[in-house]
Amino acid sequence: GESVGLHLPTLSVQEGDNSIINCAYSNSASDYFIWYKQESGKGPQFIIDIRSNMDKRQGQRVTVLLNKTVKHLSLQIAATQPGDSAVYFCAENTSGTYKYIFGTGTRLKVLA
Amino acid sequence: NAGVMQNPRHLVRRRGQEARLRCSPMKGHSHVYWYRQLPEEGLKFMVYLQKENIIDESGMPKERFSAEFPKEGPSILRIQQVVRGDSAAYFCASPGTSGSLYNEQFFGPGTRLTVL
Repeated sequence: GESVGLHLPTLSVQEGDNSIINCAYSNSASDYFIWYKQESGKGPQFIIDIRSNMDKRQGQRVTVLLNKTVKHLSLQIAATQPGDSAVYFCAENTSGTYKYIFGTGTRLKVLA
Repeated sequence: NAGVMQNPRHLVRRRGQEARLRCSPMKGHSHVYWYRQLPEEGLKFMVYLQKENIIDESGMPKERFSAEFPKEGPSILRIQQVVRGDSAAYFCASPGTSGSLYNEQFFGPGTRLTVL
């Protein structure tokens, strides 16, 4: 949903473990979702997307799960690597509109 | 995000001055999004523009902020009479295919505005 003025939640994982980052979206009419990765000082980078007619989509080392019943989105990163350390945002969009709503973000820290 | 260019990368202004942020989308693309990001927060949609046309400006503050995308040249986000609360990172994004929905957005590196 809309981001609020809170410190980013942080997820710390050991290198090689799997990471799960969660996102609760706000609009039940949203039907398109994207996960972005943002490294310090850079713009967001597309990771993976999913439409509402799907529950799961897999990419290279990443999987996105969508639960429309509870308006929940998750990003799973397999075999987390130090280069995965970043802030991860989900974004939602409703068909027929151009506005994307970004979530608050989660900082992922990969421990060596 | 290669191909989307923003300048300047850093901009310092004093209160009351004007800030002009520029964005050139990916080559051949005629649509841009502008977003604002406060420290430790997500991106907030500001405006979506097509060349010579504002499509959705529902996220733009009512006063002091304006955006344009002329037929020639980059898109400009203009902030008049800046205040400290305008300090943020401003990102523009280029849709994956010109104007279509359900496409990833390619983000530029951002302009970090600091208002003293």
